[in-house]
Amino acid sequence: DIQMTQSPSTLSASVGDRVTITCRASQSISTWVAWYQQRPGIAPQLLIYGASSLKSGVPSRFSGSGSGTEFTLTISSLQPDDFATYYCQQYLTDSPWTFGQGTKVEIK
Amino acid sequence: QVTLKESGPALVKPTQTLTLTCTFSGFSLSTIGMRVSWIRQPPGKALEWLARIDWDDDKFYSTSLKTRLSISKDTSKNQVALTLTNVDPADTATYYCARKPSAQDGMDVWGQGTTVTVSS
Repeated sequence: DIQMTQSPSTLSASVGDRVTITCRASQSISTWVAWYQQRPGIAPQLLIYGASSLKSGVPSRFSGSGSGTEFTLTISSLQPDDFATYYCQQYLTDSPWTFGQGTKVEIK
Repeated sequence: QVTLKESGPALVKPTQTLTLTCTFSGFSLSTIGMRVSWIRQPPGKALEWLARIDWDDDKFYSTSLKTRLSISKDTSKNQVALTLTNVDPADTATYYCARKPSAQDGMDVWGQGTTVTVSS
């Protein structure tokens, strides 16, 4: 399976900070990457698909970039609602899909 | 409105077979490009993708679990089932189903999850 290595595993930040999370794929996956946010006790929610397309209704402070093997999720100005765990996921069409290990964004 | 809901036993014994059902509304798994996946999350751990079934009945499984997993659909009932054989306490997790409406999209709508404990 394609491995997705996400970093950092934990990130401490303050409201208003710019935050970047990185995901590296074990082989090239073009832009077949999604990012999800998960708050405790709740199902994950899709933020970004196709590496950089923002899902309708998701605040514009979230953005994604990258292609091939390196991908980033950026939150331009961290808000109180954004303290959560974030996962990348690859979805190459004719392969098993995989998630990264997650990044927990904590209050500094 | 698109919804998905997981159902199944809350407790299973080791070595038994676990069967979970995802019942959905607001879309059809006959629609070209539509996919439904199962994902699980052990307590305090990361998400793990398990399996998916496509509108054309293509099926894909996690490599590490594929000998124990089976996924199927009943389009007329709007249901997707997942079976996991020979369960072990390591299979204790919250199990989610989610839909993916096309190749380009991510998994845009998820069920609330169902918690399964494997214990004797």
